[in-house]
Amino acid sequence: AAGVIQSPRHLIKEKRETATLKCYPIPRHDTVYWYQQGPGQDPQFLISFYEKMQSDKGSIPDRFSAQQFSDYHSELNMSSLELGDSALYFCASTLTARGTQYFGPGTRLTVL
Amino acid sequence: AQKVTQAQTEISVVEKEDVTLDCVYETRDTTYYLFWYKQPPSGELVFLIRRNSFDEQNEISGRYSWNFQKSTSSFNFTITASQVVDSAVYFCALSEEYRAQKLVFGQGTRLTINP
Repeated sequence: AAGVIQSPRHLIKEKRETATLKCYPIPRHDTVYWYQQGPGQDPQFLISFYEKMQSDKGSIPDRFSAQQFSDYHSELNMSSLELGDSALYFCASTLTARGTQYFGPGTRLTVL
Repeated sequence: AQKVTQAQTEISVVEKEDVTLDCVYETRDTTYYLFWYKQPPSGELVFLIRRNSFDEQNEISGRYSWNFQKSTSSFNFTITASQVVDSAVYFCALSEEYRAQKLVFGQGTRLTINP
């Protein structure tokens, strides 16, 4: 069965650079969630989209923005990167806002 | 406010032992969902189970079983006859009906199964 696709899988950036993470949900899934997992920590909710509209927002820095496109894929844009942004970024998708969230493999971002 | 507590930070057992991972949650909602996810060393998050707040039936899937008790706000996970491949970090998570279903995770329990 098709799973959530995230790209790139690994990303290395310098401080103050920008990064764009992409997420392709499971086909027919209309809801996308982004989570950030720091080293040794649990995943923290950043933002979610349902039918291309932002549905909820968590502890997402103002330097980050995200959107969901007409084909339901989503992108997380991160600017002015800081060392503390180094983390594993997960995208998850569900068929509806009440569905089970299935996670992608994650993008490991390293900021040097 | 939502909160999930996994008091066991790390557990280490010998293969074939049974092991129970504890999860206690807090929520004000009457409708909510509980989950367990497995994160192996490779890093992905693998869905294991979802229960809704109206279904307190325990569930068994092979060597895995889950015990949901609303009276104690607990959703514990037992692995029977553990295997080395069960070694991973296990997360318990909660989502509320009216919070756009975002997941709130516990701190995770690192389970090590020794041969």
